[in-house]
Amino acid sequence: SYVLTQPPSVSVAPGKTARITCGGNNIEAKSVHWYQQKPGQAPILVIFYDTERPSRIPERFSGSNSGNTATLTIDRVDAGDEADYYCQVLDTNDDHSFFGGGTKLTVL
Amino acid sequence: EVQLVESGGGLVQPGGSLRLSCVASGFTFSSYWMAWIRQAPGKGLEWVANIKHDGAENDYDDSVKGRFTISRDDAKNSVFLQMTNLRAEDTAIYYCARDRAFDTSGPLGYWGRGILVTVSS
Repeated sequence: SYVLTQPPSVSVAPGKTARITCGGNNIEAKSVHWYQQKPGQAPILVIFYDTERPSRIPERFSGSNSGNTATLTIDRVDAGDEADYYCQVLDTNDDHSFFGGGTKLTVL
Repeated sequence: EVQLVESGGGLVQPGGSLRLSCVASGFTFSSYWMAWIRQAPGKGLEWVANIKHDGAENDYDDSVKGRFTISRDDAKNSVFLQMTNLRAEDTAIYYCARDRAFDTSGPLGYWGRGILVTVSS
């Protein structure tokens, strides 16, 4: 089992930068993926392999991973970014995936 | 365009069974692991099971081990989740997702819209 810890909520004013953290034991040794889920919709991938961004995702989204914390950063936040965000890793020892508890991003 | 379409959900009594199906299109199905993830009402995402690209391995969360079985039919570009001995706590939206390619540690790159399973008497 591998535990990922996210803050339940993050609030940010429009135009500012949001940072959502994902804590895990020596998480830097793992590949971290991030998903955005808007109400009533399926999750979509926004960051993979710690820092990579799918082509359909705006450049405002970026990721980092160091030590025991991975971070999803959203620059110039707007109302359309309001969603739940989840981090995910794969435990290669048993091929199980683990999700963080999710962070609700509120744009003030 | 990658598409994943789930079916087979619905209302079932505790102790009952249900089989979920997911038909995939838009990618080389046999090159990817496939996974099921669920989300209970108002809760977060919970990984349920996955199956290797060649079908040789499958893994389950402890909460469903022994009750759920994941399988795939590459000829039909489909993945299935057979659920037995269902409990109220299995009530959730179940998502089919395209998991990593071959033996990488890649992401759940694409998700279906999800299908609701309700376990209630």
